[in-house]
Amino acid sequence: DQQVKQNSPSLSVQEGRISILNCDYTNSMFDYFLWYKKYPAEGPTFLISISSIKDKNEDGRFTVFLNKSAKHLSLHIVPSQPGDSAVYFCAASANDYKLSFGAGTTVTVRA
Amino acid sequence: EAGVTQFPSHSVIEKGQTVTLRCDPISGHDNLYWYRRVMGKEIKFLLHFVKESKQDESGMPNNRFLAERTGGTYSTLKVQPAELEDSGVYFCASSYGRHTDTQYFGPGTRLTVL
Repeated sequence: DQQVKQNSPSLSVQEGRISILNCDYTNSMFDYFLWYKKYPAEGPTFLISISSIKDKNEDGRFTVFLNKSAKHLSLHIVPSQPGDSAVYFCAASANDYKLSFGAGTTVTVRA
Repeated sequence: EAGVTQFPSHSVIEKGQTVTLRCDPISGHDNLYWYRRVMGKEIKFLLHFVKESKQDESGMPNNRFLAERTGGTYSTLKVQPAELEDSGVYFCASSYGRHTDTQYFGPGTRLTVL
């Protein structure tokens, strides 16, 4: 059963605007959450992470928000740039090494 | 510093044949992982090595899949005999010691079973 879900398979946003990607999870044991970015024919690359003891983590244009009560996290990209066009995966782990991934959201940034 | 490398980048085989995928992790990384993505779906965990030992192989689909990590360096994933449903992209990743250390992924091997 899929424990991490990204219900929006795609997102189109204008350059300079905010991109908001959403992720829901079902396993209450998850305590560490990550976002990975993937370009075609490449492997996923780490973007940003957040521990369950926090509700927000920021790194430059990228901010991840965690709502534990709703079992929901989101990634905000501000401002969006053409190079941000990629597939974004939400992932989580439960105090171990195994990452559970969502199916990904394809972001297209329009000029 | 060289990243995680995988070979081959693509493999096309007939059902019933054998294929071996190879992964070279980042030097110094004790942890090595195999993941698989099938037909645009989620990336699924297959197994985790710590050095040469299998730490967690709970994601291995069945006994047609055999993973090894000789001497705690590179790893191979053998599929024998391959079935149609084994098609997908196989990713290898590696990391340092803690479970919160970043997992660095290789470019993947795209396996097509006809």
